[in-house]
Amino acid sequence: DVKVTQSSRYLVKRTGEKVFLECVQDMDHENMFWYRQDPGLGLRLIYFSYDVKMKEKGDIPEGYSVSREKKERFSLILESASTNQTSMYLCASSSYRRSVEERGYGYTFGSGTRLTVV
Amino acid sequence: AQSVTQLDSQVPVFEEAPVELRCNYSSSVSVYLFWYVQYPNQGLQLLLKYLSGSTLVKGINGFEAEFNKSQTSFHLRKPSVHISDTAEYFCAVSWGSNYKLTFGKGTLLTVNP
Repeated sequence: DVKVTQSSRYLVKRTGEKVFLECVQDMDHENMFWYRQDPGLGLRLIYFSYDVKMKEKGDIPEGYSVSREKKERFSLILESASTNQTSMYLCASSSYRRSVEERGYGYTFGSGTRLTVV
Repeated sequence: AQSVTQLDSQVPVFEEAPVELRCNYSSSVSVYLFWYVQYPNQGLQLLLKYLSGSTLVKGINGFEAEFNKSQTSFHLRKPSVHISDTAEYFCAVSWGSNYKLTFGKGTLLTVNP
């Protein structure tokens, strides 16, 4: 069964720590995404990557960075964690193909990492 | 900017009642439309999608949605809901060749006994 795996379901970190959230997909997808999800705000895109070593800022990149050294892995880095980064973080991947039918699977999501910064 | 609007943030219904979750988007030019469901403490799962062809799309768990180009809407419906349908539902849109999805803010469906 194809999937997107996020390394931690729950994480508690201290203010000021450097935090790494890992995401791995086994579908050979080109595109990978990091979202944060907060009540009433829906899903907000932090960063995405459409190829190895390529990245683009999403809607709320401040305080975050990303790394994509291999096609299957996309890491989200909180350089200095703050309490306002307490949230649910969702990783997703998708295929970039010319065929609508191939693209039509949309995104495949991981189970999420609930991060609490204290 | 292109946007997706889910008109109801919360929808409470009784078991076996019909339900409609509403979704509107900002432009009808070459869109691909999706509904995702998120059960508590889980990631999002694809419920159904519209790419082309018939405007009535059927998905998993008895849900269906209708693409209405003139009203730029993609409302989700189920004729009879179960307790297990309690979840948050997200509408998402991709425009043209843009592979990125834009999500609505979600609708929390609560099914009461």
